Amino acid sequence: GQNIDQPTEMTATEGAIVQINCTYQTSGFNGLFWYQQHAGEAPTFLSYNVLDGLEEKGRFSSFLSRSKGYSYLLLKELQMKDSASYLCAVQDSNYQLIWGAGTKLIIKP
Amino acid sequence: KAGVTQTPRYLIKTRGQQVTLSCSPISGHRSVSWYQQTPGQGLQFLFEYFSETQRNKGNFPGRFSGRQFSNSRSEMNVSTLELGDSALYLCASSNREYGANVLTFGAGSRLTVL
Repeated sequence: GQNIDQPTEMTATEGAIVQINCTYQTSGFNGLFWYQQHAGEAPTFLSYNVLDGLEEKGRFSSFLSRSKGYSYLLLKELQMKDSASYLCAVQDSNYQLIWGAGTKLIIKP
Repeated sequence: KAGVTQTPRYLIKTRGQQVTLSCSPISGHRSVSWYQQTPGQGLQFLFEYFSETQRNKGNFPGRFSGRQFSNSRSEMNVSTLELGDSALYLCASSNREYGANVLTFGAGSRLTVL
């Protein structure tokens, strides 16, 4: 079967660094996405990884290891506005997106 | 450019009724996908339309249906509503080119079934 696992909830402190992990088992792999969703709002695209390694985009970085079926989203210099749910999704061999249940990130002052 | 527009934003129905939700994609986007989102369940894929054809379908009962018009606008319909259908229904559009299928989501239609 197809499965995406990520922690349900994480708490971090403003100004700190947090890493949100995502592990997956899917039928085929054509890339992994991270989306951010603030409460009551639509998900918005953060990053896309298809090759192994780290992709950096400002305070946010995303890492992929295809051999391990593993990715993480790294958020640096946390700000209160980073409080949101972070969704991991894998694009399978049919280019369909398989979604994790999301990680709710709580930032404390 | 205008984003993905979903209507209505909020609606309340009773069991047994039916509902139609509408989605206008970003101009030029030919793919429209529908998702159901409930607390703790994440995004559940309903179906995807491309150029008026249903290209993929998730594991939902036949009460859930959709269509896409020639202008790429899409509608989804849920018949014989059940309490468990209460959810946020999200529509997303994309260029659907092979490679990164980046979705742009609408704000959603929040359905409450009483």
